[in-house]
Amino acid sequence: GEDVEQSLFLSVREGDSSVINCTYTDSSSTYLYWYKQEPGAGLQLLTYIFSNMDMKQDQRLTVLLNKKDKHLSLRIADTQTGDSAIYFCAENASGTYKYIFGTGTRLKVLA
Amino acid sequence: NAGVTQTPKFQVLKTGQSMTLQCAQDMNHEYMSWYRQDPGMGLRLIHYSVGAGITDQGEVPNGYNVSRSTTEDFPLRLLSAAPSQTSVYFCASSYRVAGVNEQFFGPGTRLTVL
Repeated sequence: GEDVEQSLFLSVREGDSSVINCTYTDSSSTYLYWYKQEPGAGLQLLTYIFSNMDMKQDQRLTVLLNKKDKHLSLRIADTQTGDSAIYFCAENASGTYKYIFGTGTRLKVLA
Repeated sequence: NAGVTQTPKFQVLKTGQSMTLQCAQDMNHEYMSWYRQDPGMGLRLIHYSVGAGITDQGEVPNGYNVSRSTTEDFPLRLLSAAPSQTSVYFCASSYRVAGVNEQFFGPGTRLTVL
């Protein structure tokens, strides 16, 4: 079945790098996404990676994809207090609009 | 563009009451969906629609109805509220460009059922 798993919490110090991990099971996923949810708000798309890519970099964000192990990670360089939020990974099966979201990782950045 | 709007922002119901959560988008997106968010469980898909007049069930549809009479609106109806439906509800709409399917989320409705 389809399942996307993430650890629930991560705490880092300001200025350090954060790495948020995600595992997924649907091998037909074409795109994998990272969304950010700030307190009291909906989710906003941060970045995405196509399934035939290994890595994607976008300013402070680096996405790594290990398709063999179905493992996705999001690295945030120079983490700031404004990065404190819940981060969701999601997979999207090829040719469909259907998303499967992970459980979300709550990132807390300590000053 | 207002994006995706949801009303109300907060709601308290008694067990057995019915209500409709409103969702509207002004981006002319064909696909719309409703999720519920519960602690430690992420977002779970309740119902979705791929266009006006077309709806389908998601992962947790029981106790909810939807309709899609226009492209813009996608209301979610709770027929007889239960405490297990206490949750935060998000509506989303999406479009696809070059295979990338970006979802735009509303601000959410926080529902408490007593």
